[in-house]
Amino acid sequence: EDQVTQSPEALRLQEGESSSLNCSYTVSGLRGLFWYRQDPGKGPEFLFTLYSAGEEKEKERLKATLTKKESFLHITAPKPEDSATYLCAVQGFNQAGTALIFGKGTTLSVSS
Amino acid sequence: DSGVTQTPKHLITATGQRVTLRCSPRSGDLSVYWYQQSLDQGLQFLIQYYNGEERAKGNILERFSAQQFPDLHSELNLSSLELGDSALYFCASSIGLANEQFFGPGTRLTVL
Repeated sequence: EDQVTQSPEALRLQEGESSSLNCSYTVSGLRGLFWYRQDPGKGPEFLFTLYSAGEEKEKERLKATLTKKESFLHITAPKPEDSATYLCAVQGFNQAGTALIFGKGTTLSVSS
Repeated sequence: DSGVTQTPKHLITATGQRVTLRCSPRSGDLSVYWYQQSLDQGLQFLIQYYNGEERAKGNILERFSAQQFPDLHSELNLSSLELGDSALYFCASSIGLANEQFFGPGTRLTVL
């Protein structure tokens, strides 16, 4: 069964204190791994798609990387506006349809 | 703003009732997905439509049904509602089958 586990569940950082969020996955044939940001009571906002091990993508203070078993979301010099829940999801080749299987997320709090 | 619209934003109803949630995908997107988000379960896939046809089912109860209309908007029907159906319901859309999905703002359903 395809599965996604995110750690830590919650992370508190000071402004400017860089860190990484982890997403471990098991999937029978990875079609894609997706990162989303979700603010309380809002819909998830798309950040990145990664397709193969070794791939990296960057956007402002965020950088996503992918290996065969996990993905990392690196946050460099975070600001309070980066506070949100970050969701990781996978899409597999061997599943019916192309739905996303989500982890439970990491809730990031950045204080000034 | 993702371009995906959902109505209503909030819905409060009683146990045993039936409700309909509506979703309009981004212009040009053919695939529509419905997800349920509760505090303990995270984001769970319910059902997918592609260009009017049902593509895949996830953890969707028999009391729930959905359809995608010729203009590509979709409706999710929830009947015989129970307290445990209280959750955020999100619609997402994508251009094709394996592309990134863009989420709407969600409908918050409260069953009393």
